[in-house]
Amino acid sequence: EAGVAQSPRYKIIEKRQSVAFWCNPISGHATLYWYQQILGQGPKLLIQFQNNGVVDDSQLPKDRFSAERLKGVDSTLKIQPAKLEDSAVYLCASSLVGAGGLNSPLHFGNGTRLTVT
Amino acid sequence: DQQVKQNSPSLSVQEGRISILNCDYTNSMFDYFLWYKKYPAEGPTFLISISSIKDKNEDGRFTVFLNKSAKHLSLHIVPSQPGDSAVYFCAAINTGGFKTIFGAGTRLFVKA
Repeated sequence: EAGVAQSPRYKIIEKRQSVAFWCNPISGHATLYWYQQILGQGPKLLIQFQNNGVVDDSQLPKDRFSAERLKGVDSTLKIQPAKLEDSAVYLCASSLVGAGGLNSPLHFGNGTRLTVT
Repeated sequence: DQQVKQNSPSLSVQEGRISILNCDYTNSMFDYFLWYKKYPAEGPTFLISISSIKDKNEDGRFTVFLNKSAKHLSLHIVPSQPGDSAVYFCAAINTGGFKTIFGAGTRLFVKA
């Protein structure tokens, strides 16, 4: 099966600029996640979609971050305006159902490395 | 609030020997635990999991042990191979909360 596709792979922007990331999950996977991984830390959940509805966005900085999942398939994550501390790898993942456990682990894309200068 | 802790940033092991990666958690509501493996410039990939009703799960060279009373789990790799060199993330789920929480990761080096 085709894996989770993400683009772009790398992005360098200046602070206060905006940026968008795109994700195409594995076909048939109902749940889609965006994680932020800062260097030296584990992935941190930003937002979780079940089909095209939001399940959890409690750690999404909503004053600058937004995400949508169109028609329950592709998703975009946007940052506007970016800050220096947003420099990280942004990982998209998908799973068949639920939280990523119970025989439905997360499948990750290769991520987008964002550098904010 | 670090609910999942991997206190060893790195571990170096000789090829053929056992690698033991450790993980501690604080939330007693976690009921499912997973290990993910990550190579550079790639996303994490699922390795092995264990339910809280078990204390051991084995898959080939990989075994995960869970000690609920100590809130501790470990991943054993026997025998270790150079291709096992990667970052290993411990993760936990409170299925009622529908969220996977990751530790900071342990970088494993397997020397040939």
